[in-house]
Amino acid sequence: GQQVMQIPQYQHVQEGEDFTTYCNSSTTLSNIQWYKQRPGGHPVFLIQLVKSGEVKKQKRLTFQFGEAKKNSSLHITATQTTDVGTYFCAGFIPPLVFGKGTRLSVIA
Amino acid sequence: GAGVSQTPSNKVTEKGKYVELRCDPISGHTALYWYRQSLGQGPEFLIYFQGTGAADDSGLPNDRFFAVRPEGSVSTLKIQRTERGDSAVYLCASSLRARTSTDTQYFGPGTRLTVL
Repeated sequence: GQQVMQIPQYQHVQEGEDFTTYCNSSTTLSNIQWYKQRPGGHPVFLIQLVKSGEVKKQKRLTFQFGEAKKNSSLHITATQTTDVGTYFCAGFIPPLVFGKGTRLSVIA
Repeated sequence: GAGVSQTPSNKVTEKGKYVELRCDPISGHTALYWYRQSLGQGPEFLIYFQGTGAADDSGLPNDRFFAVRPEGSVSTLKIQRTERGDSAVYLCASSLRARTSTDTQYFGPGTRLTVL
């Protein structure tokens, strides 16, 4: 079936280091969405990318959508302890198909 | 306004029992979605409602699972003859319009279902 794969599964960084998670789809996506889920919480929408090659920034977060609309990345610059959580990409097929997420831990 | 609410927050039941999980979407949102999230996994799509009708139920794992939204607002996910493998967090989400690629989905806090 349609899959959205995400790597790495876990990432441990020192506070101030950068972090990147990658997302890859087996099929071309209408759009890609990114969510953050804090421990014990529910997914919270971060951003949506629609256009081929699109790049969007939110403060220290940079999101990219690949030219073929099959892959995406989220990069966090200078991580902070408040960035802790699991970051999910979700490709809209439809339905919305989530990756397994990357769990980020930040060591102060 | 209020976000998506789900009740109960936790439900413990025994194998073979019937359970109902409730979702109250954001007021005015016409689209409603149910997802299931197992430990260490991303949310897995179950069913999507547009108004009162189930527009896409392709994610329901089998006929023990059923969902309704009789008045186009509150939805109930029903699981018959529960099995231990049904244990997961059941998430509900809603969006303003029909399911389109650009419509943002807002998630509720989820119901943690444990089947003993």
